[in-house]
Amino acid sequence: DIQMTQSPSSLSASVGDRVTITCRASQSISSYLNWYQQKPGKAPKFLIYAASSLQSGVPSRFSGSGSGTDFTLTISSLQPEDFATYYCQQSYSTPPITFGQGTRLEIK
Amino acid sequence: EVQLLESGGGLVQPGGSLRLSCAASGFTFSSYAMSWVRQAPGKGLAWVSAISTSGGGTFYADSVKGRFTISRDNSKNTLYLQMNSLRAEDTAVYYCAKETLNADWYFDLWGRGTLVTVSS
Repeated sequence: DIQMTQSPSSLSASVGDRVTITCRASQSISSYLNWYQQKPGKAPKFLIYAASSLQSGVPSRFSGSGSGTDFTLTISSLQPEDFATYYCQQSYSTPPITFGQGTRLEIK
Repeated sequence: EVQLLESGGGLVQPGGSLRLSCAASGFTFSSYAMSWVRQAPGKGLAWVSAISTSGGGTFYADSVKGRFTISRDNSKNTLYLQMNSLRAEDTAVYYCAKETLNADWYFDLWGRGTLVTVSS
């Protein structure tokens, strides 16, 4: 199974900051990498697919990049509603689908 | 409105069984592969099982293989997860999730989840 590792596990930032979250795969997954946002007590929300394609309706301050084993999710200017936990997920070698352990983004 | 609504969670003793349901609305359910994803308390997301559009293809995480059965009734727009021989480590919120039209193994719609607690 492909292992997904996110860093950092948690991050403190302020409104307006630029934030980057990293996701690394245990082997090459080409661009088969997706990102989700989850707020406490809520279902995950789909943000980005194929490493860099923004899901319809997702604000343009979110962006993704990378290929192979290393990927990033960037939020260009943090908004109050962006404080949440973010998960990466590989869809290259399936099943099983595997997720990263999550990155918790907190208000500084 | 496009939505998924899970039900059937609750408290069950170790070794017991539970059947989860996920009612879909607002889209052509039969055209989409579906999955169950769970989240243990305070933990991350873990994929459990997936099913093809027709139900002819089913897939399971190793941790639930042989104990859980995924199925769907396209006439009722409903996804199911039959869970047998439940263990404490199966305690989690269980989400149903819809794949995209290309069945690319990622999820553009999630339900709100249903909590399963396995405890004596």
